[in-house]
Amino acid sequence: ETGVTQSPTHLIKTRGQQVTLRCSSQSGHNTVSWYQQALGQGPQFIFQYYREEENGRGNFPPRFSGLQFPNYSSELNVNALELDDSALYLCASSLGGGLAGFTDTQYFGPGTRLTVL
Amino acid sequence: DQQVKQNSPSLSVQEGRISILNCDYTNSMFDYFLWYKKYPAEGPTFLISISSIKDKNEDGRFTVFLNKSAKHLSLHIVPSQPGDSAVYFCAASRGPNFNKFYFGSGTKLNVKP
Repeated sequence: ETGVTQSPTHLIKTRGQQVTLRCSSQSGHNTVSWYQQALGQGPQFIFQYYREEENGRGNFPPRFSGLQFPNYSSELNVNALELDDSALYLCASSLGGGLAGFTDTQYFGPGTRLTVL
Repeated sequence: DQQVKQNSPSLSVQEGRISILNCDYTNSMFDYFLWYKKYPAEGPTFLISISSIKDKNEDGRFTVFLNKSAKHLSLHIVPSQPGDSAVYFCAASRGPNFNKFYFGSGTKLNVKP
């Protein structure tokens, strides 16, 4: 059973650029959630995808968008990067739907550290 | 708005003693709570959870207590071990079919040998 993986590990971008972060879910998981963790803070929910459809969104602007693919891997895209977007981006996979609803245990990847200069 | 708060950024405990990590929340609609542990350069790892229909849940050395009237939960680790040194996050949601987790800012636990 493979765990959740994310790429790249680190990324440096300049303000105004666009970035794509990638996440491979744990085998058998159909739900992926993305979080932003600023320095010294806890993870903040960006959005969740369930079977390729967005299934809830946090308080993030539309320039944060995502995709989930048929193999349940996922991308987070951020357009028009701002300095405040510098953070650790975490994805978490879980088995959603059914009796477990969407509060089944989420398994996190190690994160992508994004720095915006 | 910080709906889940961990007011102690750090905690230092001697090996073998009890570690108590605290978490407060403001939203009375929360009914599902979790604790995660995070080591440097790794993602958070699920530790233990509790539903609002319970006031205690135990798993080995880890026990979570929930006080709904005070909107407070705590994680007890007994006995504490040096390998428990990590950042601990509490999280809450309006489960079971609500998918948005609210996290606290974390407490860094240091267990001294």
